Amino acid sequence: DTAVSQTPKYLVTQMGNDKSIKCEQNLGHDTMYWYKQDSKKFLKIMFSYNNKELIINETVPNRFSPKSPDKAHLNLHINSLELGDSAVYFCASSQGQRDEQYFGPGTRLTVT
Amino acid sequence: GESVGLHLPTLSVQEGDNSIINCAYSNSASDYFIWYKQESGKGPQFIIDIRSNMDKRQGQRVTVLLNKTVKHLSLQIAATQPGDSAVYFCAEKIGFQKLVFGTGTRLLVSP
Repeated sequence: DTAVSQTPKYLVTQMGNDKSIKCEQNLGHDTMYWYKQDSKKFLKIMFSYNNKELIINETVPNRFSPKSPDKAHLNLHINSLELGDSAVYFCASSQGQRDEQYFGPGTRLTVT
Repeated sequence: GESVGLHLPTLSVQEGDNSIINCAYSNSASDYFIWYKQESGKGPQFIIDIRSNMDKRQGQRVTVLLNKTVKHLSLQIAATQPGDSAVYFCAEKIGFQKLVFGTGTRLLVSP
């Protein structure tokens, strides 16, 4: 049983396009996150949602827009893709006051 | 500022050796620390965590040590196995549910 799943696993697109990455967790968690991992493996938080409300919004271009239709889903939409957006994007989830975050398998985005 | 860093970007060990991965953190107010293991092509996987009111915590073959005086964290892996080969990240919790990750250490285990 997949705890945190992401689709697609790979995404190759051209500059200027708009794309979305979807995330779902079946753990019953109330908090979900998006992280970006660059080519040097550096992992940085982008957004966090708790009970569908945005609680963390790091310095991310407004071309990135997260959307949480319900507690189990957190999607990431990216407008006007740029070369620098190429990275692996990870979704994660956690429950309440528990700090441990569970990560999805990642989506490798390549912008050409 | 916020920063969590590692002293060794790559650590090579022989199978059966004990491995020690180190991490320095900068925020003295951090009260929770966590180690993740990331295998190639996969997401980070929880290994072990520790709260700031503890100095040491042990799991199965892993031990985390926390030295708040020098703001240092370490992960010890006993009897390292080839399956332990991965990138290891430390992270500290800053604020509500925000984890700041270190740069990662690659552990290479030779049979």
